Amino acid sequence: KAGVTQTPRYLIKTRGQQVTLSCSPISGHRSVSWYQQTPGQGLQFLFEYFSETQRNKGNFPGRFSGRQFSNSRSEMNVSTLELGDSALYLCASSLNRGEGYTFGSGTRLTVV
Amino acid sequence: GEDVEQSLFLSVREGDSSVINCTYTDSSSTYLYWYKQEPGAGLQLLTYIFSNMDMKQDQRLTVLLNKKDKHLSLRIADTQTGDSAIYFCAEKGPGNQGGKLIFGQGTELSVKP
Repeated sequence: KAGVTQTPRYLIKTRGQQVTLSCSPISGHRSVSWYQQTPGQGLQFLFEYFSETQRNKGNFPGRFSGRQFSNSRSEMNVSTLELGDSALYLCASSLNRGEGYTFGSGTRLTVV
Repeated sequence: GEDVEQSLFLSVREGDSSVINCTYTDSSSTYLYWYKQEPGAGLQLLTYIFSNMDMKQDQRLTVLLNKKDKHLSLRIADTQTGDSAIYFCAEKGPGNQGGKLIFGQGTELSVKP
């Protein structure tokens, strides 16, 4: 059974650019959540999608957005990148929004 | 409020037991989780416990939950050098925030041979 797949693994962008990250959940999982991990702030919740609808959103500016497709794959987008957006972005999927969230390996974004 | 606290470091000898502790604030939490993160990797789900349980055992891992004190612990028996990693405690967000996990800062476990 394939795990959660995140692409790309590494990304370098320039300030002001935008970026799109992709997450393919485990087959059959309908809930996809996104987290930002930084040394200073730790793991912070970005948003959650379930059946193509955003169900929860964390305390991030509107530059951070996401969506989920009918096959449960999800993308997150960050516009007008800032140096502080440099982080490991992790995606997690779950069958029923509760038991056992499985995480992907993450996308490491560096903004220069 | 939402807050999960962990001690930052733990050092043990190979073969000893490790106990990583965590406190949380939301008494309505239904699920509590332990994740492991190795350098450069994502989070690996180790185990989780439902809030109506006191204990859960899975091979070398034992989770104890004290709901009254809002205290969760993870015991690793016969700790190996391969267990060296950062361990995160997390609680499931309440009510309509069910898809959100609230993480502690992580405990860095160092296992010395």
